[in-house]
Amino acid sequence: QVQLQESGPRLLKPSQTLSLTCSVSGGSISSDYYWSWVRQSAGKGLEWIGRIFSTGITNYNPSLKSRVIMSVDTSKNQFSLRLSSVTAAETAVYYCVRDSVDAGHDKWGQGTLVTVSS
Amino acid sequence: SYEVTQPLSVSVALGQTARITCGGNNIGSKNVHWYQQKPGQAPVVVIYRDNKRPSGIPERFSGSNSGNTATLTISGAQVGDEGDYYCQVWDAATGRPFGGGTKLTVL
Repeated sequence: QVQLQESGPRLLKPSQTLSLTCSVSGGSISSDYYWSWVRQSAGKGLEWIGRIFSTGITNYNPSLKSRVIMSVDTSKNQFSLRLSSVTAAETAVYYCVRDSVDAGHDKWGQGTLVTVSS
Repeated sequence: SYEVTQPLSVSVALGQTARITCGGNNIGSKNVHWYQQKPGQAPVVVIYRDNKRPSGIPERFSGSNSGNTATLTISGAQVGDEGDYYCQVWDAATGRPFGGGTKLTVL
């Protein structure tokens, strides 16, 4: 059973860069899936940030594209998110997600709350 | 960019049929996925590719997609079905946008 676990700093100051890593267990990150990041601010809806394939191919949310970089480390079975110049409005629970082309986001991490505050 | 719209809330009497819509330009030409999210939990896919049900999802969940509207139908709604529901598509220009979410209340 594939499991995903987010890790990274939980508290940032405005203008800093958010860095999160998702560790995948119970399956290979090199399998035929994309790997996505989704966030959710308190009381708000889901926002798709972007996704990456094991070969490094990426797709990003156009509204965040200028500040997002995703990467994958197949040797560690991990993928990562970097979001630069964060603001307080980007305080949210960040989820890493397995993205099946046919079946949608079929596996989710538990989510990690990242707080941006001065 | 491609946008998908959902009603903010839907209410249904216990045991009746709830329908949650997801609107988008020619959404019938896209694959639509539906997620259920309960408070404090990660979302769970309840319908994928318009009308496919993952293993473990009750048969009362079904989906359809045509024209400019996709619909999630919950037949015989239970109290345990309460939560937020999100639709999602794939669009080459926009990526994987979610709808704004619909809060389902079972009365």
